[in-house]
Amino acid sequence: EVQLVESGGGLVQPGGSLRLSCAASGFTFSSYAMSWVRQAPGKGLEWVSGISGSGGSTYYADSVKGRFTISRDNSKNTLYLQMISLRAEDTAVYYCAKARYGDYIPTIDYWGQGTLVTVSS
Amino acid sequence: QSVLTQPPSASGTPGQRVTISCSGSSSNIGSNTVNWYQQLPGTAPKLLIYSNNQRPSGVPDRFSGSKSGTSASLAISGLQSEDEADYYCAAWDDSLNGHVVFGGGTKLTVL
Repeated sequence: EVQLVESGGGLVQPGGSLRLSCAASGFTFSSYAMSWVRQAPGKGLEWVSGISGSGGSTYYADSVKGRFTISRDNSKNTLYLQMISLRAEDTAVYYCAKARYGDYIPTIDYWGQGTLVTVSS
Repeated sequence: QSVLTQPPSASGTPGQRVTISCSGSSSNIGSNTVNWYQQLPGTAPKLLIYSNNQRPSGVPDRFSGSKSGTSASLAISGLQSEDEADYYCAAWDDSLNGHVVFGGGTKLTVL
């Protein structure tokens, strides 16, 4: 059974940093691209970043480029999102998500339960 | 403002057929496949339709997808109360080194 468990969310001040983690199990982690997708309170889904199975290719939404860094440790079956210079508009539930087909990022077949990041003073 | 445009709301009565549209551009829907996600209240999204018109196992055939040019549609026939949810379209966008774009979401109400 595929499981994606996010952690690392919490309350952080504007300008602060946070690192999210996603522990994956139930599939061959290194064979699949992964993404982070967020959802602000009461709002729609926004794709944040994606990474290929090997970690060699990364992609970002314009809204986070230069502030967020996606990475993965295939030996630990773990996905990360390092977030710096956080802003109030980054407040959201952050979902870890698995690609359905290899490195094809847009088609997501499994989602974690999400971790809440709140940016506020 | 989302890159893909969806109507904010849709509604229907049980048994009816409803459609939800998703409009994009040549850099996303026009050149890549479309996926649809269903999000029930308080839960994570679920893949409903992939590659324009394919259903993952377990998704009822009441749900169908189509794509034409730079637009796509999700159709739900035989509407049921449990279909009340938010629906999102998504696609890869080839601009700016590539990224995923979502529609703003459509809240479906079963009257």
